[in-house]
Amino acid sequence: NAGVTQTPKFRVLKTGQSMTLLCAQDMNHEYMYWYRQDPGMGLRLIHYSVGEGTTAKGEVPDGYNVSRLKKQNFLLGLESAAPSQTSVYFCASSLPGTSGWGADTQYFGPGTRLTVL
Amino acid sequence: AQSVAQPEDQVNVAEGNPLTVKCTYSVSGNPYLFWYVQYPNRGLQFLLKYITGDNLVKGSYGFEAEFNKSQTSFHLKKPSALVSDSALYFCAVGNTGKLIFGQGTTLQVKP
Repeated sequence: NAGVTQTPKFRVLKTGQSMTLLCAQDMNHEYMYWYRQDPGMGLRLIHYSVGEGTTAKGEVPDGYNVSRLKKQNFLLGLESAAPSQTSVYFCASSLPGTSGWGADTQYFGPGTRLTVL
Repeated sequence: AQSVAQPEDQVNVAEGNPLTVKCTYSVSGNPYLFWYVQYPNRGLQFLLKYITGDNLVKGSYGFEAEFNKSQTSFHLKKPSALVSDSALYFCAVGNTGKLIFGQGTTLQVKP
């Protein structure tokens, strides 16, 4: 049981290049999330998905796209990278709880450190 | 709008002393409150959460947190700090399926 895994761990891009970050979970979780972490700002939600084939915007979605073609995978794409997208990206997943939407524990991957030059 | 504040960027404590990491929140409706810990170059690990019930919540590694509705606070505590507790701690509030995180507090435990 690997939990949540992310590929790649590190990446350096030039401005304007594109790339896709892959998140995979083996816990059969319905919900998946992409966050970015910047110093002094905590984690901010980019996009999320409540099930296979569905995605929704989070707090900072501009410049990113996502896809959830399979339940276990959640892809984050940068079509034209900008230096402002230099960050650490975390994927998370959760199983809907019975206490209310938002009460479920999220499980995080190890992160992808992206630098855009 | 939902928000979480961690008023201290860093907390320093000597090993063996009690520690407190502060968190206040603003949310409409019932709050779902979480604490996560992040060790260097690692992802976030879940420590504990408050959903309902007893205001004192016990979690992993000897940590606990007290929910105070009147003060809208959810402070993280531990009776006796360890050097290995040194890490970045995040408070978060869950609402409509999403987590809103505080900016994080670095805990430094010195021998």
